[in-house]
Amino acid sequence: NAGVMQNPRHLVRRRGQEARLRCSPMKGHSHVYWYRQLPEEGLKFMVYLQKENIIDESGMPKERFSAEFPKEGPSILRIQQVVRGDSAAYFCASSPEAEDYGYTFGSGTRLTVV
Amino acid sequence: KQEVTQIPAALSVPEGENLVLNCSFTDSAIYNLQWFRQDPGKGLTSLLLIQSSQREQTSGRLNASLDKSSGRSTLYIAASQPGDSATYLCAATNQAGTALIFGKGTTLSVSS
Repeated sequence: NAGVMQNPRHLVRRRGQEARLRCSPMKGHSHVYWYRQLPEEGLKFMVYLQKENIIDESGMPKERFSAEFPKEGPSILRIQQVVRGDSAAYFCASSPEAEDYGYTFGSGTRLTVV
Repeated sequence: KQEVTQIPAALSVPEGENLVLNCSFTDSAIYNLQWFRQDPGKGLTSLLLIQSSQREQTSGRLNASLDKSSGRSTLYIAASQPGDSATYLCAATNQAGTALIFGKGTTLSVSS
């Protein structure tokens, strides 16, 4: 079992470009969560998705950020027109059907906006 | 709204010492509470998961307790080792069960 796979591990984008972060959940997990960790800050919840559905996006910035988890393929976190303040580590987690089984996290994507 | 606080923010101990990390949460209507370890520049490793019906969980030298009524959890590390040096994160589910809410962590340094 390969665990939660995130790629790329490191991503550099110029201001105004788009960033696409990918996450493949653990085998058998159908729930995906995205978190952002800003320098010197804690992990902040962004969005919770199940296959083809956004369940809770209360932590997502209202503009430029979007997430999807299609029927086939990985979950994608998309950031349009990146700004320097978007530089952070973005972590994906997955869990099985029920809430009682806890989360497994990936190694993260470190986004740097120059 | 669930809020999680961890005390202390940083802790330095000599090797071999037993230690306790504290976590408090504001909303007791949790599904579960999870402790993680994060090494610098790395991802999160799950240490212990305590479901809402449980009082404690143990794994090796680690023991985590949960007291929902007081909104507290503790992580006990026995016989600390330099390899235990890391940031320890506590996270509790929000009321809807749709997200884990994290504390800012306790950064532990164990000297040999």
